[in-house]
Amino acid sequence: DQQVKQNSPSLSVQEGRISILNCDYTNSMFDYFLWYKKYPAEGPTFLISISSIKDKNEDGRFTVFLNKSAKHLSLHIVPSQPGDSAVYFCAASARGGSNYKLTFGKGTLLTVNP
Amino acid sequence: SQTIHQWPATLVQPVGSPLSLECTVEGTSNPNLYWYRQAAGRGLQLLFYSVGIGQISSEVPQNLSASRPQDRQFILSSKKLLLSDSGFYLCAWSVPRKSSGNTIYFGEGSWLTVV
Repeated sequence: DQQVKQNSPSLSVQEGRISILNCDYTNSMFDYFLWYKKYPAEGPTFLISISSIKDKNEDGRFTVFLNKSAKHLSLHIVPSQPGDSAVYFCAASARGGSNYKLTFGKGTLLTVNP
Repeated sequence: SQTIHQWPATLVQPVGSPLSLECTVEGTSNPNLYWYRQAAGRGLQLLFYSVGIGQISSEVPQNLSASRPQDRQFILSSKKLLLSDSGFYLCAWSVPRKSSGNTIYFGEGSWLTVV
């Protein structure tokens, strides 16, 4: 049972345009959500997070939106740059005793074309 | 600032041989420590986590084991590797939190190929 789903395995965007990466979840106990960026043969790098008490969080070119009723979050990158080309993982953790554990989606490969 | 290192970065091991991957964290005390694996074309799977010295929890049954001999050292081991153990292994740490907001930070990763 996949509790965090990234339904688009890949996304291609032109440099300077907006990249929108989507993520859906099924576990209503999730209350903290994160996005990670991963280059080949490297560990994932933490990008941005959002708590369930918010619906938006911004950090520079990166904005994460959370729609709790739809159990959906998205990562917007504006403007997209070629260096943003990587695999992006969505992750979530639940409140309570298992808050140590992150559940990851399978990732979306973003390609930003010059 | 906190840093995490794991080694070796790559290794090729024959089936049936032992494995030892090591990870250390600097700049923090009493971290939660994790071993994740990314198999080809798949997401990140939690293998083990530890909340303190000698305290190891396993998330999935497998051919691997983990140990935490010191506060900031985490070791992934196997006595006899299987072909299915091939993958990209990631050590990670986080600051323990009673409430939510647990951000995990990853090391550089170790590529294991079992032949």
